[in-house]
Amino acid sequence: KNQVEQSPQSLIILEGKNCTLQCNYTVSPFSNLRWYKQDTGRGPVSLTIMTFSENTKSNGRYTATLDADTKQSSLHITASQLSDSASYICVVNRNDYKLSFGAGTTVTVRA
Amino acid sequence: DAGVIQSPRHEVTEMGQEVTLRCKPISGHDYLFWYRQTMMRGLELLIYFNNNVPIDDSGMPEDRFSAKMPNASFSTLKIQPSEPRDSAVYFCASSLKWDRKNEQYFGPGTRLTVT
Repeated sequence: KNQVEQSPQSLIILEGKNCTLQCNYTVSPFSNLRWYKQDTGRGPVSLTIMTFSENTKSNGRYTATLDADTKQSSLHITASQLSDSASYICVVNRNDYKLSFGAGTTVTVRA
Repeated sequence: DAGVIQSPRHEVTEMGQEVTLRCKPISGHDYLFWYRQTMMRGLELLIYFNNNVPIDDSGMPEDRFSAKMPNASFSTLKIQPSEPRDSAVYFCASSLKWDRKNEQYFGPGTRLTVT
């Protein structure tokens, strides 16, 4: 069973709208949690990195939150743009630097 | 900086053939990672190096897979013999360090198709 579960699997939103992606994990011990954006045909690009002591981290219109107690994270996209269409991957890093990857959420932004 | 460079970008080969994927990390980065991505399994870490030394190869699926890093600016991932189930996108990534905060920079990937 995957230790990092993402939801929804995919979503479609209209340009200018907001959306929130979810990531639940069971990885332990926990070191940090990363959100990556992957455009079609390209490698993933890091959006945010949060350690267990951080609750929120922003990168432009992207805001990630982390609740280490409930082992949940979210990625909020504000005022979506067409260029936000991509796959968003949640990655949890253990203390020994083993990585656990979520399956990703595919976001499609339509004009 | 040119970023992480991978070659070839696309590779089509027949089952049983040897395949070699190449990676040039960002200059000065001490860590290099090889990943595989498929629709079924998503992203998987295969192996990573620190200062050219393999640190963790527990993700390498079989003995058919091998990786080397002869110097700080070059690494190869070899599959011999290749099988259709090896078809995937293979990414190389590098990092200045590998701790709680450091970024990983991914290359554009090599799309491998084994027929």
